Formats: sequence, structure tokens, C-alpha cells
Amino acid sequence: DTEVTQTPKHLVMGMTNKKSLKCEQHMGHRAMYWYKQKAKKPPELMFVYSYEKLSINESVPSRFSPECPNSSLLNLHLHALQPEDSALYLCASSQVVNGNEQFFGPGTRLTVL
Amino acid sequence: AQSVTQPDIHITVSEGASLELRCNYSYGATPYLFWYVQSPGQGLQLLLKYFSGDTLVQGIKGFEAEFKRSQSSFNLRKPSVHWSDAAEYFCAVGGLTDSWGKFQFGAGTQVVVTP
Repeated sequence: DTEVTQTPKHLVMGMTNKKSLKCEQHMGHRAMYWYKQKAKKPPELMFVYSYEKLSINESVPSRFSPECPNSSLLNLHLHALQPEDSALYLCASSQVVNGNEQFFGPGTRLTVL
Repeated sequence: AQSVTQPDIHITVSEGASLELRCNYSYGATPYLFWYVQSPGQGLQLLLKYFSGDTLVQGIKGFEAEFKRSQSSFNLRKPSVHWSDAAEYFCAVGGLTDSWGKFQFGAGTQVVVTP
């Protein structure tokens, strides 16, 4: 299995809602990432987990809360988002955090009303 | 300043013609180099990578890239483009000692394929 899966594919939420994005990989990778991507722009790194521990937080607002329950799963909990948070959210994984190639999931298209 | 530059924001190419996408980097040491492709609304797919060794790298979907240290470049090429190659292409660097765990992406090049 060489893929990263993400659910849901699409999500529409109000500014007062709480929702979660889910990411899963079964490649035995020990590094997992969340990116945010706006239209016509490259992905922007949000969080990096290494061996299930948060290693990098790119000064992301606290309304985004990551969680890594085990080495295969990565969640992104969303609460009180703003319309400008609407974007494609990409999950990626790599063997370890050291410049290895990252494998990306298909993304969750998030719309905040 | 350290950077990854894709000089061409948009390229239009005829189906069957050759394609070359440019990527230049500005780092003290040679980073790890990658090319990714993204179809609309999809995730990024790795086309190829360069860590060291042979400077001509073969990838998937008939793509290749050549690393030129003297020019700090890692250009992507395909001899004959198919309509399905229409997509956004990102060059990325990794393995940076002062940006541990991070990829630096170029701005991307949008490729349009005409019949």
C-alpha cells in the first residue's frame, strides 16, 4: 500500500462548527505533515509530526489542532474557523523527517461559511 | 536569500511537442530536489527526485530532469506531451540543514496542452 488517504473529500462548515479531518497511511512512515493550499499557490506547511510527536508548528492559529493518535493516523481538528481558512488541506507522509520525498494524499476541500 | 524559483508561471504547449519546465534554487549546499505534479483539485504526485549521483534522473509518466550544479538548476523535461499532462508542476527542495523537516516549494508552473 503506497498511498495516503484523506477523509472527507469535501467539507462545508460554519464558523461555529467543530469538525475533524482525517489522514491515514500504511507505508510505515514515521513523519506526517499537514499543509494548507490556496488556489494557484504552493502548499504551505502547517504541522509536522515525527514519531507521533509534534515537531514543527508553523505558527498556526489555535483554531487548528493537530493530533497523531498512532503512527498511521493524523487528524486535524477544526473549531471556530474563519472564511479565509477555506482551502485545500493536504496530508503527507515520509519515511522520516529528513528531506525524504513526501507522499501526498488527495486533500480535503474545506469551505467555511 | 534562500529560495526556489520557477520562472515560468504559465506554459502553453501543443500535444506531441516537447516540454521543459525550469527550476532554480539558491542554497549554500545542494539540497534534495523534487518535482511534483498536481491535477486540479488533487493532491501532489511525485514525478522524480534527486539526492546525489547521476545528474539525469528518470521519473514516472515519461518525465526526466537534469541537475546542473553550475547553474543551480533542476529542469524537468518531457519529449512528447500528452493532453493528460495539463496540470500544475511544483519544484521543491528538502534536506536543508537550517529548515529541518521542511520542503521549500517553488511558486509552480501551470501547463496547458492544446490540441
